[in-house]
Amino acid sequence: DADVTQTPRNRITKTGKRIMLECSQTKGHDRMYWYRQDPGLGLRLIYYSFDVKDINKGEISDGYSVSRQAQAKFSLSLESAIPNQTALYFCATSDGGFNSPLHFGNGTRLTVT
Amino acid sequence: KNEVEQSPQNLTAQEGEFITINCSYSVGISALHWLQQHPGGGIVSLFMLSSGKKKHGRLIATINIQEKHSSLHITASHPRDSAVYICAVNSGAGSYQLTFGKGTKLSVIP
Repeated sequence: DADVTQTPRNRITKTGKRIMLECSQTKGHDRMYWYRQDPGLGLRLIYYSFDVKDINKGEISDGYSVSRQAQAKFSLSLESAIPNQTALYFCATSDGGFNSPLHFGNGTRLTVT
Repeated sequence: KNEVEQSPQNLTAQEGEFITINCSYSVGISALHWLQQHPGGGIVSLFMLSSGKKKHGRLIATINIQEKHSSLHITASHPRDSAVYICAVNSGAGSYQLTFGKGTKLSVIP
């Protein structure tokens, strides 16, 4: 089984719908991240969490929210999806800060029509 | 904000060739990451380094802090090395965000 699991792997939704992407990990890491990848752009940080009570906005948090339900679970929500949120979304974990290796999930491909 | 540039953007090589992918950044950093993104989309961390050189199998990563430059080398390339290779830097000084390059797409032809 994967150490970092994202669900769903693919999702097509309509503009205005609420959608949640889920991430769970078995690595025991405190730090979890949500990234977005668009063609021709580098990965960009949406939100990050250093522990259950610590949630921080990243570079592109507008239009997104997160919930850290437990050490192992970190969910990303799009409250009202819009087409320019169509992208590949990655969850990642680390056992330290950004000077520690990142462990990525397999990604969720989201299409907003 | 740190600017991260990778070159080349695309690279096609024959199996067995020695490959070099470059990464330059504009501001001093505390660490640099090399990642591999498979054709299916999954991302794997290859190296994290802040100085010198690291080796894992056929992969070698080097960094020159003074020149703000890192290279990823692949020796005896193989078609299974075909992937997108991504460089990311942590600018340190309290920064908790990585800046990612756009990636280098490598295709190794048998």
